Amino acid sequence: DAKTTQPPSMDCAEGRAANLPCNHSTISGNEYVYWYRQIHSQGPQYIIHGLKNNETNEMASLIITEDRKSSTLILPHATLRDTAVYYCIVRVRLWDNQGGKLIFGQGTELSVKP
Amino acid sequence: SQTIHQWPATLVQPVGSPLSLECTVEGTSNPNLYWYRQAAGRGLQLLFYSVGIGQISSEVPQNLSASRPQDRQFILSSKKLLLSDSGFYLCAWSDYLNTHEAFFGQGTRLTVV
Repeated sequence: DAKTTQPPSMDCAEGRAANLPCNHSTISGNEYVYWYRQIHSQGPQYIIHGLKNNETNEMASLIITEDRKSSTLILPHATLRDTAVYYCIVRVRLWDNQGGKLIFGQGTELSVKP
Repeated sequence: SQTIHQWPATLVQPVGSPLSLECTVEGTSNPNLYWYRQAAGRGLQLLFYSVGIGQISSEVPQNLSASRPQDRQFILSSKKLLLSDSGFYLCAWSDYLNTHEAFFGQGTRLTVV
């Protein structure tokens, strides 16, 4: 699995867009980019994933650069409840019958402030 | 809808005592099941995974074991806890047909004293 690099922490004002970057310069052509988040003392929660194209769902948008070496998770209107640690993960398939060898790393601690 | 239950939420156990954490999934069949531990820092470490009843794979050597006696039940055990076993234990499941998403339980905070 490709290694990812994220800033350890970020702040965002409530109501503004939160843009969380992730570098994955060694990503392979068949590897997906996944984003999960973990609110304090809770289990991780799936947010979004993508391969090449930008993706959007009800939670967030994922922007992947053309060379796929970096991506940005966008929370369009951050709320206080979005305060959490956000993990960027790159691998071929997140979960398969060979086992969920998921490596979350340290992630970015996002603090949304009023 | 599918749900995952993990208990207890918190547990304080003395060194040398046994451990049993249980995880059950509802609303799906033949799920892939996983046990993770989150110790110091934020990274999650995969401990065990199972693709079927009685099929357990261990990712790291440790003082723990896992069992899957039923299709939707996954148990994490230890015969004698060590101080280093303290941490946040998370159970997760994924649909074997959908390899992009996984669902986590709320976790068990284990403190070994």
